[in-house]
Amino acid sequence: GNSVTQMEGPVTLSEEAFLTINCTYTATGYPSLFWYVQYPGEGLQLLLKATKADDKGSNKGFEATYRKETTSFHLEKGSVQVSDSAVYFCALSARSSASKIIFGSGTRLSIRP
Amino acid sequence: GAVVSQHPSRVICKSGTSVKIECRSLDFQATTMFWYRQFPKQSLMLMATSNEGSKATYEQGVEKDKFLINHASLTLSTLTVTSAHPEDSSFYICSASRAAGEGDTQYFGPGTRLTVL
Repeated sequence: GNSVTQMEGPVTLSEEAFLTINCTYTATGYPSLFWYVQYPGEGLQLLLKATKADDKGSNKGFEATYRKETTSFHLEKGSVQVSDSAVYFCALSARSSASKIIFGSGTRLSIRP
Repeated sequence: GAVVSQHPSRVICKSGTSVKIECRSLDFQATTMFWYRQFPKQSLMLMATSNEGSKATYEQGVEKDKFLINHASLTLSTLTVTSAHPEDSSFYICSASRAAGEGDTQYFGPGTRLTVL
């Protein structure tokens, strides 16, 4: 079945450090891929998405590229800020499953000033 | 655009009572709404999918008589936790998909924290 595996946290970085959170997926066909962010005590916000191979999603300095050959969608940011501290979820939606989203386990990111 | 609200944001109730949580799409029509449950420091688990005007589709292991879902209009879905017990305490999050345009993108509400005493 479809699944998402992402880097286990927590991840702690200093401000202005480079961030990578790994995400790989298993799916039949061509799923859409997402990164969602959850700030403390809040619901999820869509951070970025990509719907086909080699697409790059980007938002707020974060980027992720849909790599079909490696079935990956790693999240990167060149210089993190304290305000980026949150939990990040990688997710996929298979086109055959009526928009049902499958989430990874989440990665907690903490940024030190 | 694409704002989803939930009400209430936080509720505390006694064991045995029923609690209703509302999910609204404020600026778009949502043919499909989803209800998730999230335990502390864990990922979201899909409970059910509801389409406007039809019965909800529940995920395996979710009791449909315990978690009643109604999707009466294109902007409103409700989740009622019936005869709540302490083990039902959790963070409940809804999401909605637009009627057209973005297909599989879901927009999430801010969540409702339920505490059953």
